[in-house]
Amino acid sequence: AQSVTQLGSHVSVSEGALVLLRCNYSSSVPPYLFWYVQYPNQGLQLLLKYTSAATLVKGINGFEAEFKKSETSFHLTKPSAHMSDAAEYFCAVSHSGGYQKVTFGTGTKLQVIP
Amino acid sequence: IAGITQAPTSQILAAGRRMTLRCTQDMRHNAMYWYRQDLGLGLRLIHYSNTAGTTGKGEVPDGYSVSRANTDDFPLTLASAVPSQTSVYFCASSGTGGTGTDTQYFGPGTRLTVL
Repeated sequence: AQSVTQLGSHVSVSEGALVLLRCNYSSSVPPYLFWYVQYPNQGLQLLLKYTSAATLVKGINGFEAEFKKSETSFHLTKPSAHMSDAAEYFCAVSHSGGYQKVTFGTGTKLQVIP
Repeated sequence: IAGITQAPTSQILAAGRRMTLRCTQDMRHNAMYWYRQDLGLGLRLIHYSNTAGTTGKGEVPDGYSVSRANTDDFPLTLASAVPSQTSVYFCASSGTGGTGTDTQYFGPGTRLTVL
């Protein structure tokens, strides 16, 4: 069984401030972890993914995430928020199997205040 | 590069009617998926297909059916729509189905309202 928990359905930050979106996972096997972003009225697109190589993963638009096995966490960060970062962010967990069973979190909506 | 296209963009449907949501990809991906997105619930997998000619059930398959006659197309059919099927539906694809590390590519979604 696998699951992800995203803490905070809504997060507000000021423009230029640190962005921190939290994700904790549960998995009975070594997980693969993803962060996807969804802009209004669009589909999801990949920000970054952890596939058991480097634990610090860098993605697009200046985002990065660190896999911490001891904390079962995969938090998403960005040093300085831009207005264009306003979107909904989804953490997801997957593992190998008969099909790519991806379990998504419930999402965190990021608001950037000018 | 179109990626994944979905049709229609939105639809209002009377309960009991049959509806097919269309999905086409041009990336020659083997695997395709249908998700529904509901407020507070994230995305839930309805059906998937690892390759043309095969399909499987996801987390919430009841009331939905799919077919995969070729690599590019993966239609989702609601045989007799009910109001609880009001949702935003996303089609996605990935290169392969079983590795777990694949990136999934999403279409723009279909907003369906069942009255």
